[in-house]
Amino acid sequence: ILNVEQSPQSLHVQEGDSTNFTCSFPSSNFYALHWYRWETAKSPEALFVMTLNGDEKKKGRISATLNTKEGYSYLYIKGSQPEDSATYLCAFKGYSGGGADGLTFGKGTHLIIQP
Amino acid sequence: SAVISQKPSRDICQRGTSLTIQCQVDSQVTMMFWYRQQPGQSLTLIATANQGSEATYESGFVIDKFPISRPNLTFSTLTVSNMSPEDSSIYLCSVLAGGFYEQYFGPGTRLTVT
Repeated sequence: ILNVEQSPQSLHVQEGDSTNFTCSFPSSNFYALHWYRWETAKSPEALFVMTLNGDEKKKGRISATLNTKEGYSYLYIKGSQPEDSATYLCAFKGYSGGGADGLTFGKGTHLIIQP
Repeated sequence: SAVISQKPSRDICQRGTSLTIQCQVDSQVTMMFWYRQQPGQSLTLIATANQGSEATYESGFVIDKFPISRPNLTFSTLTVSNMSPEDSSIYLCSVLAGGFYEQYFGPGTRLTVT
């Protein structure tokens, strides 16, 4: 059974502050690490797909890093805004030859930005 | 990318009944997945549904409880059979599009079983 852990479980941040949270995953048979942003009643929105050790990706005020050797990824949000309030999910995709495994998700970090 | 719609968006059902959830994709895709999220838990893969073949179920999920149809490359259904309160979850349809790296999700079906 694959274990994907996210911390913290929830986070309250003042508007304008920067924040980050963690995803840990198995360091073997790594294929890809996905980050999603999920608001209630909406589709999870794909933020990043990270495939290489040392990857750093950025989308506006959100960025992510990847360390496959030690099995962790960080998601950073700079200058938090109320619209950043959501649950952030990470998901691990392992390698099974075809690379077409389903994703194994963490429980998510529930982020609330306080005005 | 792929745009996915699901019906119904939410439902409240009686114990012992069945509910069929529909998933429609705006483009042809080979691989579709069904996930569920029970309260306080992770999104968990139920099964993989490829057009023209039987669905592949993950450990802990069986076809009699969660029958899946995949009649064409843009549509799939998941039925939750003989429901119990433990089936109360959000059920999401997902597809691979643009290669193995890009996976998209529908908005989910929020099911409450009483």
